[in-house]
Amino acid sequence: AQTVTQSQPEMSVQEAETVTLSCTYDTSESDYYLFWYKQPPSRQMILVIRQEAYKQQNATENRFSVNFQKAAKSFSLKISDSQLGDAAMYFCAYRSSNSGHALNFGKGTSLLVTP
Amino acid sequence: DTEVTQTPKHLVMGMTNKKSLKCEQHMGHRAMYWYKQKAKKPPELMFVYSYEKLSINESVPSRFSPECPNSSLLNLHLHALQPEDSALYLCASSRDQFFTDTQYFGPGTRLTVL
Repeated sequence: AQTVTQSQPEMSVQEAETVTLSCTYDTSESDYYLFWYKQPPSRQMILVIRQEAYKQQNATENRFSVNFQKAAKSFSLKISDSQLGDAAMYFCAYRSSNSGHALNFGKGTSLLVTP
Repeated sequence: DTEVTQTPKHLVMGMTNKKSLKCEQHMGHRAMYWYKQKAKKPPELMFVYSYEKLSINESVPSRFSPECPNSSLLNLHLHALQPEDSALYLCASSRDQFFTDTQYFGPGTRLTVL
């Protein structure tokens, strides 16, 4: 079974600074997708960014970018120019043909943004 | 538009009550999902519907009964729940059931069982 590990239960960043959230995963498959989801307190879980494993180029979405290291099975999320609205729980997730319908989530990292 | 809507936002029910949760999407997605999320934990998959047919039941107790009346609508019928069933229930949808398809989540229904 695939496992997703987020080793940082909580992180803190000052406004306008950059923060990196770590995620590692364990798999023997070569074709899979990785996701970062954001869930603000009492609000909707939204997709931040996704990465196809066969693509070497790291995905970016505005202030959000990933560092995808396939050999190391690492998928970290970098948030640049942090804003107060970035405060949320961030979940890393994995999905492959063998995991079927299931999104395998990590335990999450709670990000606090301070003024 | 990547909107998945869920009603109600909050629900309080007794252990003998029968209630239903509703999920709707108008993105033409053919796969829909129910997840259960406890506080400060990741979502756990409960059910998957693909083309209006139940394709996955993750060993969920029978007191939870899903229904997919049409391709846009997903219900979760609740009966004789236990206090430990209190959680945030999330609905999600994706274009199809393939692993390449991104799942989009609704805002959830926060359920409290007394």
